[in-house]
Amino acid sequence: ETVLTQSPGTLSLSPGERATLSCRASQSVSSSYLAWYQHKPGQAPRLLIYSASSRATGIPDRFSGSGSGTDFTLTISRLEPEDFAVYYCQQYGGSGYTFGQGTDLEIK
Amino acid sequence: EVQLVESGGDLVKSGGSLRLSCAASGFNFNDAWMTWVRQAAGKGLEWVGRIKSKGSGETTDYATPVKGRFTISRDDSKNTLYLQMDSLKSEDTALYYCSWVGRSMAFHYWGRGTLVTVSS
Repeated sequence: ETVLTQSPGTLSLSPGERATLSCRASQSVSSSYLAWYQHKPGQAPRLLIYSASSRATGIPDRFSGSGSGTDFTLTISRLEPEDFAVYYCQQYGGSGYTFGQGTDLEIK
Repeated sequence: EVQLVESGGDLVKSGGSLRLSCAASGFNFNDAWMTWVRQAAGKGLEWVGRIKSKGSGETTDYATPVKGRFTISRDDSKNTLYLQMDSLKSEDTALYYCSWVGRSMAFHYWGRGTLVTVSS
């Protein structure tokens, strides 16, 4: 099973700043099958990025994804107040999926 | 508009059974691969299992912690996804989400979840 490790666990930033979230895999992941989600309390998770770098429908262009192999990054270029949430990376391999443990992006 | 609405969550005793439902609308459910994901209180997201469309063989895959205890099925005539949970354990206590598996195996749309509580 591929383990995804996200860092940092908590990221404290202010609106307007740039956020860089990391996701490292225990073995190589196909870029086609790496996704990022945003999750706010009491809401359904929301797909942000699929195939490592493709934005999902309706996602603002301040969100971008990059990476390959075992290292992937989600970047939020300029934080808006509504961006403070927990972010998860996820991979699909063979017949199963795994999620990272999440990065809590909090207001500084 | 895509809508996924989970139901069936309840308080159940350890060793018991429960069936969750997920009513889908706004997309071609017949062709959709569907999945269940759960989140225990204070924890992260955990994949539970997936079912392919009938056209793809309607095969299922499960995460190791639930394999042999949980069964995913679908009724395309009702646009409904199911999760049959047997031999429930306290560690199965969680909010259960259904989701539509879209392009590149990502989970493009999610419901709001239904809460399952297993008492010991």
